[in-house]
Amino acid sequence: DAGVIQSPRHEVTEMGQEVTLRCKPISGHNSLFWYRQTMMRGLELLIYFNNNVPIDDSGMPEDRFSAKMPNASFSTLKIQPSEPRDSAVYFCASSLRAREKLFFGSGTQLSVL
Amino acid sequence: ILNVEQSPQSLHVQEGDSTNFTCSFPSSNFYALHWYRWETAKSPEALFVMTLNGDEKKKGRISATLNTKEGYSYLYIKGSQPEDSATYLCASPYNQGGKLIFGQGTELSVKP
Repeated sequence: DAGVIQSPRHEVTEMGQEVTLRCKPISGHNSLFWYRQTMMRGLELLIYFNNNVPIDDSGMPEDRFSAKMPNASFSTLKIQPSEPRDSAVYFCASSLRAREKLFFGSGTQLSVL
Repeated sequence: ILNVEQSPQSLHVQEGDSTNFTCSFPSSNFYALHWYRWETAKSPEALFVMTLNGDEKKKGRISATLNTKEGYSYLYIKGSQPEDSATYLCASPYNQGGKLIFGQGTELSVKP
């Protein structure tokens, strides 16, 4: 298996633009997580899905952030409009079942100018 | 809110030293405890998942113990090598649904 695949690896955009981050979990995994890495908060959980259903989005910072999982093999995290303070590394991770070990993607380095 | 705390924040040791660090978590409503290794410019990789009080796991020179009654886990590295330099994260699910909350990590630096 290719592991968790995230795209793009790097994204540079201007303030106010829409940004879409993509994730393909490992085939057969039922849980998918979006994390953001910041200096202040470390790995911060934004949202997670079980069986394609969003379970907890309490970590999503604002209404500007949204996430979808239309099917078991694809998820998106969208920021609209983006702001400089959104600059961070965004990780997607999946696990076979809830509470089992996570497999992380390579992350998307987002820079909002 | 689940608080997962790790100490120390950073650790500098010489090659060959053995070292250990701590993860503490609320002992009530415990589901599991995860350890991850995170090298610079890479993604976190799972080391261990432990669920039972008294669990001990080992992978090469790295081992971990779990005490769910008092809410802590130790990670041990025997004979540290420069390639062990990384940030070590622990995490615990907040609920049965699997909301995995990470600690801030312990950054280990091993000097040759």
